[in-house]
Amino acid sequence: EPEVTQTPSHQVTQMGQEVILRCVPISNHLYFYWYRQILGQKVEFLVSFYNNEISEKSEIFDDQFSVERPDGSNFTLKIRSTKLEDSAMYFCASGGQPGTEAFFGQGTRLTVV
Amino acid sequence: AQSVTQLGSHVSVSEGALVLLRCNYSSSVPPYLFWYVQYPNQGLQLLLKYTSAATLVKGINGFEAEFKKSETSFHLTKPSAHMSDAAEYFCAVRPISSGSARQLTFGSGTQLTVLP
Repeated sequence: EPEVTQTPSHQVTQMGQEVILRCVPISNHLYFYWYRQILGQKVEFLVSFYNNEISEKSEIFDDQFSVERPDGSNFTLKIRSTKLEDSAMYFCASGGQPGTEAFFGQGTRLTVV
Repeated sequence: AQSVTQLGSHVSVSEGALVLLRCNYSSSVPPYLFWYVQYPNQGLQLLLKYTSAATLVKGINGFEAEFKKSETSFHLTKPSAHMSDAAEYFCAVRPISSGSARQLTFGSGTQLTVLP
């Protein structure tokens, strides 16, 4: 069964450092997303990506965040200068045709120290 | 703007008892609706979805949900709880849109505890 794969599963970084979270979406999907879940809180939308550009972003997705699809398979989230409050579980998701569900990866737990 | 409200952040049921997790949505038009489950230290797994076909939707692991437009609800039920059902459950909504933005808006989640 196809699945969304995220690496690493857990990353610890120092405040101010850049991190790149990686995702391999399901191969024939066209829509890609990043969500985050701060410990004990709800899952929040960050950004959606379609046709090689950002289609929607939330107010959380400020200038320190960026996304990229550098090749035909990977979808990355970069946080330029991490802050303590960026500590969260980050989920990648991908979706196919309209009306179909988004498939989520297992998440990357980012800990900023 | 769409939103989802899950009543009850924690629900406890006895093994074998009925599970009922409540979800109400707010949207100007009926959206697509989803229930996801998150087991400890794992990602989000789709349980079931409503996409404007049948109003009673059956999902995995014996769960089902009924879309009620008049009540703007999409409650999740399971006739008989199993210990393995203990997890956090999220209701989510997404607009029926031809545009490229199809992000989900999640509820705050309901932690289900199953007592032996």
